[in-house]
Amino acid sequence: QVQLQESGPGLVKPSQTLSLTCTVSGGSISSGDYYWSWIRQPPGKGLEWIGYIYYSGSTYYNPSLKSRVTISVDTSKNQFSLKLSSVTAADTAVYYCARAFGGSLAYWGQGTLVTVSS
Amino acid sequence: SYELTQPPSVSVSPGQTARITCSGDALPKKYAYWYQQKSGQAPVLVIYEDSKRPSGIPERFSGSSSGTMATLTISGAQVEDEADYYCYSTDSSGNHRYVFGTGTKVTVL
Repeated sequence: QVQLQESGPGLVKPSQTLSLTCTVSGGSISSGDYYWSWIRQPPGKGLEWIGYIYYSGSTYYNPSLKSRVTISVDTSKNQFSLKLSSVTAADTAVYYCARAFGGSLAYWGQGTLVTVSS
Repeated sequence: SYELTQPPSVSVSPGQTARITCSGDALPKKYAYWYQQKSGQAPVLVIYEDSKRPSGIPERFSGSSSGTMATLTISGAQVEDEADYYCYSTDSSGNHRYVFGTGTKVTVL
């Protein structure tokens, strides 16, 4: 059974860079069939697709976030990561990592709340 | 930017049928996916590729798509189906740009 777990700071100061890591267990991130995704959800609001990465390093981002987002993969650790720069309070959200097969996000992490505040 | 539009809320009595719509210009050419999210939990895939049901999802959940609208139907809704539901799809650019719908709160009472 594939499992994903987000980790990273729960509090980030405005203008700084948010950094999260997703650790994958129960399956190889290099399997080649999947895209490894980040999704977020501001408190009380809807879901927003941030982007995803293929094990080879190919990345695809939400155009509205593209200038601030970097997703990377470390196949040796079976992890992928999210960096979001120049954060503001509007970036406060629960951040989820998930495994994508096309539009099927069948496996999700539990989510981690990141608050942007000084 | 591409948008998928859903009604904000749908209410249904237990045992009745709930229908949730999702409108998007690219849906005639792109699959719709549906996610259920209960309070405080990660979303769960309930329908993929317009009408396919993942293993473990009850048969009362079904999906369809026609033209620019996809529909999630819950036939014989149960109290435990009360949740937020999101459609999910990609635009027609071919550039892997996915988007979630605006979300629908389904109340069963």
